[in-house]
Amino acid sequence: QSVLTQPPSASGTPGQRVTISCSGSISNIGSNTVNWYQQLPGTAPQLLIYSNNQRPSGVPDRFSGSKSGTSASLAISGLQSEDEADYYCAAWDDSLSGHVVFGGGTKLTVL
Amino acid sequence: QVTLKESGPVLVKPTETLTLTCTVSGFSLSAAMMGVSWIRQPPGKALEWLAHIFSNDEKSYSPSLKSRLTISKDTSKSQVVLTMSNMDPVDTATYYCARIRHYYDSSGFYYRFDYWGQGTLVTVSS
Repeated sequence: QSVLTQPPSASGTPGQRVTISCSGSISNIGSNTVNWYQQLPGTAPQLLIYSNNQRPSGVPDRFSGSKSGTSASLAISGLQSEDEADYYCAAWDDSLSGHVVFGGGTKLTVL
Repeated sequence: QVTLKESGPVLVKPTETLTLTCTVSGFSLSAAMMGVSWIRQPPGKALEWLAHIFSNDEKSYSPSLKSRLTISKDTSKSQVVLTMSNMDPVDTATYYCARIRHYYDSSGFYYRFDYWGQGTLVTVSS
């Protein structure tokens, strides 16, 4: 069972906007920044959003992140078929001498 | 160009010790505010963080696996090594190494994996 809670699945049609939530606690999301990783089928994860809402170069501005309190969200607008992937949130957790915690992942299906 | 590449055995027996090596290029293991982490992913399951080592040699481990893990680095060889003892079939997974960028400020700990290796699948079976 993952420390950060994500819905196991999400879906949308091309062009739609979808959001994926990530719920944590004061020791992780409530105290530190959140990152999102995209894992396309059969590939290694890649950084999608960092420091709550920053996009690495090359990531389309269709992807955006936000954080409020102990929760974070990833929004994808103008959904495209190539966005079909698994999405993971992650954050540093200050408890137990500090460690990284991941969400359980959300499988996004483009209908 | 930053790259990371994992290497190690594809098959280990139960109770054996796994040794994985991450060879990096395009950055130095002594660069400030950087480090390398190991993350694993059992087939069809979620990502699980294992350990990290920073450029100043600071180390941290997953609380649930701490007793079985050791991470070290050889800056001259640009390599980070992870050992995991007493392997079990539930440890079957793809093991990734990733570069860390990190710093603290008033908003908390900024910590991200900005480059990942391709991963190496390790199967634990007799």
